[in-house]
Amino acid sequence: EVQLLESGGGLVQPGGSLRLSCAASGFSFSTYAMSWVRQAPGKGLVWVSGISVSGTTYYADSVKGRFIISRDNSKSTLFVQMNSLRAEDTGVYFCARGHLTGTRLFDQWGQGTQVTVSS
Amino acid sequence: DIQMTQSPSTLSASVGDRVTITCRASQSISSWLAWYQQKPGKAPKLLIYRASSLDSGVPSRFSGSGSGTQFTLTISSLQPDDFATYYCQHYITYSPESFGQGTKLEIK
Repeated sequence: EVQLLESGGGLVQPGGSLRLSCAASGFSFSTYAMSWVRQAPGKGLVWVSGISVSGTTYYADSVKGRFIISRDNSKSTLFVQMNSLRAEDTGVYFCARGHLTGTRLFDQWGQGTQVTVSS
Repeated sequence: DIQMTQSPSTLSASVGDRVTITCRASQSISSWLAWYQQKPGKAPKLLIYRASSLDSGVPSRFSGSGSGTQFTLTISSLQPDDFATYYCQHYITYSPESFGQGTKLEIK
């Protein structure tokens, strides 16, 4: 069974940092692209960042220069280092697996981890 | 960036009804369109990809159609488990605007 388990969320002050993790199991992690998708309270889904099988990284303009996505294939884990956090970064962060036939199509999702940026 | 617009934003229907949700892209996305279902406090679930292909395990009452800029998600006979929020998504490129704003399907 495919499982994605996010962790690392919490309450942080504006300007602070957090590192989110997504532990994957039940599939060959190294052969799939992965992404992070945010959902602000009561709002829709917003793609934030992605990483290819080869390690190429992609970012939404709103987080470019502040967030760093990475992966550790030996541990089947996806990360995002979130720096200079802002109130608008608040939300539930889901990790999502890219489909084999379309890496920007998300066929498996974790349950999410809550990030709250507030003073 | 390609913008995705769903309509309606909210839809009230009854068990057994046939319902249709529409998604429009600001420019052609061929058939690179997916539909997701999300229930409160849960992760989204992929229902349909390539505009009309059902993901594994998705009930046959769900169907998708369209190409280019106009797409629809149809539920042929609503079941109690179908009341949720539905999102369309283009997957041509990575983009923060790749998802529609969502359609909340409520019980009438």
